[in-house]
Amino acid sequence: QSALTQPASVSGSPGQSITISCTGTSSDVGSHNLVSWYQQHPGKVPQLMIFDVSKRPSGVSDRFSGSKSANMASLTISGLQAEDEADYYCCAHAGRDTYVFGTGTKVTVL
Amino acid sequence: VQLVQSGAEVKNPGASVRVSCTPSGHTFTDYYLHWVRQAPGHGLEYMGWIHPNRGVTNYAQKFSGRVTMTRDTSITTAYMDLSRLTSDDTAVYYCAREPPGTGGFDSWGQGTLVTVSS
Repeated sequence: QSALTQPASVSGSPGQSITISCTGTSSDVGSHNLVSWYQQHPGKVPQLMIFDVSKRPSGVSDRFSGSKSANMASLTISGLQAEDEADYYCCAHAGRDTYVFGTGTKVTVL
Repeated sequence: VQLVQSGAEVKNPGASVRVSCTPSGHTFTDYYLHWVRQAPGHGLEYMGWIHPNRGVTNYAQKFSGRVTMTRDTSITTAYMDLSRLTSDDTAVYYCAREPPGTGGFDSWGQGTLVTVSS
């Protein structure tokens, strides 16, 4: 199972919106709505930001939103803040009832 | 909800390692437990899952044959054993909880650093 493809880096200024793409195949991203997103600050444990493509866990800011079209999922961060600077990973249910992570995207707040 | 993992390990190449994960704050048998690793400076890599209720497991193809996930319901602890270690297995290993059917890992252990070195 190959890793899902994400851009290596995305940047934006405070207050702007950015979108991170996550490209897979019809066997993973395209086959289920079991797509999730994780935020990881350096040296910290990953934190769930989005599950089921677009649902937010309790406590996650509504500035984070998710969507999916065919084999590509997206995470949008609106009103970018300094604290959003982190690595972001998508994850999708894949073949043989396992999961696969994306390659990861470093978000920089300019 | 907390997932507490065992401490750091240093192993020789060819050896095996066992990492434990003890959840608290929820019913042990109600949630899937997944294992994910992260090599230094690299991204997250999925390893597999166990459902503690019946001990059913499923492993990512890359690790099949080398990883074994088990649980002991009497002490509400899950284990991940990885054998035939090489330097490429040097990583932080995480367990993570998934509420059934959500596909989201909503609570993670603190991570266990496994270093493989001669």
